[in-house]
Amino acid sequence: KAGVTQTPRYLIKTRGQQVTLSCSPISGHRSVSWYQQTPGQGLQFLFEYFSETQRNKGNFPGRFSGRQFSNSRSEMNVSTLELGDSALYLCASGAGTGDGYTFGSGTRLTVV
Amino acid sequence: EDKVVQSPLSLVVHEGDTVTLNCSYEVTNFRSLLWYKQEKKAPTFLFMLTSSGIEKKSGRLSSILDKKELFSILNITATQTGDSAVYLCAGGNTGGFKTIFGAGTRLFVKA
Repeated sequence: KAGVTQTPRYLIKTRGQQVTLSCSPISGHRSVSWYQQTPGQGLQFLFEYFSETQRNKGNFPGRFSGRQFSNSRSEMNVSTLELGDSALYLCASGAGTGDGYTFGSGTRLTVV
Repeated sequence: EDKVVQSPLSLVVHEGDTVTLNCSYEVTNFRSLLWYKQEKKAPTFLFMLTSSGIEKKSGRLSSILDKKELFSILNITATQTGDSAVYLCAGGNTGGFKTIFGAGTRLFVKA
């Protein structure tokens, strides 16, 4: 079966712009989690969606938002980009029971 | 505040050595302890542990959970250069809507 698909793979944006990242989970998975990974901070939890509802949110500013559609695909939006937002953004899909997630290959965002 | 702490942060060994990676956790409504291996981009799933004292094995890798002491270990025997990666430990809560990752242990296996 197809894995978790994230698009785009790479993005370069300038400060102040906004960006939308997309994640298509494994078919049948209703949970999508988003993570930010940087060399200094490791994997940081952004938020988790299950059946179009955000169930939990990490400690990120309000510039980071997300949503999930009825087909379980999820988008993450970052507004007013800052240099420190440069990172690998990973999404992971799962059944939503805590029994492990499958990660996508990530979107590498560079803010200049 | 929920947290997962891994040690050591980095490790260099020679091929054939056995390594033990440590993970301690404090996760509200804890349900599962997850181990992942990350080589380049996407972390790949290794183990999920929910019960204390039951060892899970996959080839040269094994892991065990101690829910009383709130820690888990990942053992790799007869290490190979292909084991070089970052090993991530994560704690998941009941309901599955929160998974907290540790900073990872970077393992480098020298030929």
